[in-house]
Amino acid sequence: EDQVTQSPEALRLQEGESSSLNCSYTVSGLRGLFWYRQDPGKGPEFLFTLYSAGEEKEKERLKATLTKKESFLHITAPKPEDSATYLCAVQARAGGGADGLTFGKGTHLIIQP
Amino acid sequence: DTAVSQTPKYLVTQMGNDKSIKCEQNLGHDTMYWYKQDSKKFLKIMFSYNNKELIINETVPNRFSPKSPDKAHLNLHINSLELGDSAVYFCASSQDLVQPQHFGDGTRLSIL
Repeated sequence: EDQVTQSPEALRLQEGESSSLNCSYTVSGLRGLFWYRQDPGKGPEFLFTLYSAGEEKEKERLKATLTKKESFLHITAPKPEDSATYLCAVQARAGGGADGLTFGKGTHLIIQP
Repeated sequence: DTAVSQTPKYLVTQMGNDKSIKCEQNLGHDTMYWYKQDSKKFLKIMFSYNNKELIINETVPNRFSPKSPDKAHLNLHINSLELGDSAVYFCASSQDLVQPQHFGDGTRLSIL
């Protein structure tokens, strides 16, 4: 069974204080690893897709990296508007589970001004 | 323009009733999905629908049935609602099975 574990569950940072969120996964053949951002009362908003170990993607203050067992979401000099829950998800090659994404429980990030 | 839209946003109803949630996407995507987010905020896949092929997560009770009148719509029908069905239901779509999925803002279902 595919599994995704995110840590920490919650993280409180000062504005400008860089940090990293972790996503550990086990999957029967990785088709893709996805990062989403979810704000309260909203649906997940797509951030990045990573397909193979060693791949990196960047967008503004966010950078996602991937190894064979985990992914990191690095946040550089965060601002209060970066506060959200960050979700990691994997999709397996086998196509089981309705071809949907297997999500972690998320990291609730709060950036204090 | 809203890419993936769901209606209603909130749904409060009695146990035993039958209800439907509508989903429409204007992205021209070929694949649509339904997810359930429980009280612990865990998102779980329920169904995917691609080229008229429905794939069902085996853990979903058969009281739940998706219906797709056309490629842009995937509605969710729920019969004989139970207390445990209370959750937020999200619709999503993607260009195909390997592309990123784009989500609606959810329907919060509360069973009294």
